[in-house]
Amino acid sequence: DTGVSQNPRHKITKRGQNVTFRCDPISEHNRLYWYRQTLGQGPEFLTYFQNEAQLEKSRLLSDRFSAERPKGSFSTLEIQRTEQGDSAMYLCASSFEVLGETQYFGPGTRLLVL
Amino acid sequence: GDSVTQMEGPVTLSEEAFLTINCTYTATGYPSLFWYVQYPGEGLQLLLKATKADDKGSNKGFEATYRKETTSFHLEKGSVQVSDSAVYFCALSDRGTGNQFYFGTGTSLTVIP
Repeated sequence: DTGVSQNPRHKITKRGQNVTFRCDPISEHNRLYWYRQTLGQGPEFLTYFQNEAQLEKSRLLSDRFSAERPKGSFSTLEIQRTEQGDSAMYLCASSFEVLGETQYFGPGTRLLVL
Repeated sequence: GDSVTQMEGPVTLSEEAFLTINCTYTATGYPSLFWYVQYPGEGLQLLLKATKADDKGSNKGFEATYRKETTSFHLEKGSVQVSDSAVYFCALSDRGTGNQFYFGTGTSLTVIP
């Protein structure tokens, strides 16, 4: 399978704990995006990388959220001191930088904060 | 800023009925427009796209035309099937904002036999 993969698929945690999600993009794609999707809503952009550079992070929801892509391949999204309002589906997508590029989405990581 | 407004659902149709899901957009630049579909229990999949005005995207019997004059990208299908039951998302991608996607809220479609 050469699509975008995300791990874990499900995560249950207690309020105040830190969580980290991983995304492995399609191998030849140089752009990687993170989105959050809550029930009944469309995906909401969080941040994106071009290779290892994080080009946009102002839309991260708070300073508790951070993302890395250290070698320009896989990426991690970390949420520190989780809150119940962080419960959502976290989606990763990747693309190749051309005009009108299509983003290919992973299956998502569903987070439940108790 | 950029945004997408999508027809609210849920929509319930009988098999072989005609489908239209409305989508309008606001963009500062020259966006590309997309329809994504999410089947139950699955991730988002690209359904079709259009990259410039008057382009028509099509796939699996679905069509949408990029209308710059009305800032719209309505999704249509002439005869829906039960297997088309899913949530449909309209989205735009604007190079001026790093190609981040702006999604509509999604329209849930249920097709009954």
